[in-house]
Amino acid sequence: QSALTQPRSVSGSPGQSVTISCTGTSSDVGGYNYVSWYQQHPGKAPKLMIYDVSKRPSGVPDRFSGSKSGNTASLTISGLQAEDEADYYCCSYAGSYTVGPSVVFGGGTKLTVL
Amino acid sequence: EVQLVESGGGLVQPGRSLRLSCTASGFTFGDYAMSWVRQAPGKGLEWVGFIRSKAYGGTTEYAASVKGRFTISRDDSKSIAYLQMNSLKTEDTAVYYCTRASPTYSGSYYDYWGQGTLVTVSS
Repeated sequence: QSALTQPRSVSGSPGQSVTISCTGTSSDVGGYNYVSWYQQHPGKAPKLMIYDVSKRPSGVPDRFSGSKSGNTASLTISGLQAEDEADYYCCSYAGSYTVGPSVVFGGGTKLTVL
Repeated sequence: EVQLVESGGGLVQPGRSLRLSCTASGFTFGDYAMSWVRQAPGKGLEWVGFIRSKAYGGTTEYAASVKGRFTISRDDSKSIAYLQMNSLKTEDTAVYYCTRASPTYSGSYYDYWGQGTLVTVSS
């Protein structure tokens, strides 16, 4: 399985909304409702922000939301705040253990808050 | 409070072996799958593999890049997960994260992460 495709960078001003896309195939993103999103600040461990396409773990602000259409998943951050500046990674279950990796990550997107 | 603490990283020569440990606390370790994810310097995240809970047979899955060289195991009595890395290559150089995976057969998301341990493979 190839890595999922994400834009290298996105940016937005405080208070605005941004959307990060994550494109896969019918074997991963399109085939399962098991897309998750992770936020990573420099030098820190990743943090789970969204799981199962659109569910938010306890403690994650409702400014973060996830969705999926076909083979593309999206993470939307509304009401941008300075602390949202970080790298974001999507991840999808791929399921076919005998053929390739059962989990694939996207290449990551750097979010800059202007 | 859930905590995952990795140990065992360091500098190792190509072709040699290294074993990483992940000591867990704050949750019922045996109920969860455990996964390893790595990140090469300046690069993105790469799934390494995971081990299911005993409820799902305790079976393992691996990325193609490490299959046959890396082995994940677990000791539920000690709440420790291991990553045995053999025949190491320079391209295995990365920070290795231990993660708690979802308590399902797919282990498809990672809700807690350790701080990571750096493995450097170099002569």
